[in-house]
Amino acid sequence: DTAVSQTPKYLVTQMGNDKSIKCEQNLGHDTMYWYKQDSKKFLKIMFSYNNKELIINETVPNRFSPKSPDKAHLNLHINSLELGDSAVYFCASSQTGTGLSGNTIYFGEGSWLTVV
Amino acid sequence: GQQLNQSPQSMFIQEGEDVSMNCTSSSIFNTWLWYKQDPGEGPVLLIALYKAGELTSNGRLTAQFGITRKDSFLNISASIPSDVGIYFCAGQKGNTGKLIFGQGTTLQVKP
Repeated sequence: DTAVSQTPKYLVTQMGNDKSIKCEQNLGHDTMYWYKQDSKKFLKIMFSYNNKELIINETVPNRFSPKSPDKAHLNLHINSLELGDSAVYFCASSQTGTGLSGNTIYFGEGSWLTVV
Repeated sequence: GQQLNQSPQSMFIQEGEDVSMNCTSSSIFNTWLWYKQDPGEGPVLLIALYKAGELTSNGRLTAQFGITRKDSFLNISASIPSDVGIYFCAGQKGNTGKLIFGQGTTLQVKP
């Protein structure tokens, strides 16, 4: 079973369209994230949710709207797609912990978004 | 934004050789993580380090959390072709789950 799964894996769409990427984790974690990897492979956090509440929002354009219906799901909706949105979007999850191993983050396989 | 300085940027080595890569930062982190990313896949956690000075092994991989908490290294011994990929270091402050990533080290292994 895939621990952090996201769909679709590949998405090609035209500028101006609205699209969504879905993510689910079956690890029982309480925190989920969206990270973006650009064409130079640089990874940067976009959002994090803890128990369905937004914790981190890294100055991402408001065309990007995450939604967490429950702690096992975190979806990413993108409005009015732009060429610069082309990237790989990774969902991730972790369990908040008070011990040393708290917040070890596990990533999904990524969603390759191409805007044309 | 804040970044970690990861080096080298790329390595091309012969199978069987040992590999070393490192990350440095101007600020302190309380957790260091090393990930490997294969083409078309997400980063997979290799080693997590939680205490300054900690030295941890995972098979042929060894990583250390620098005593100053501003650096970490990853060693791979006796490299094999399946070690090919991009290796990322990541640092975390506090308990927010926000990871700051290095630029990645692309490793190629010649059989």
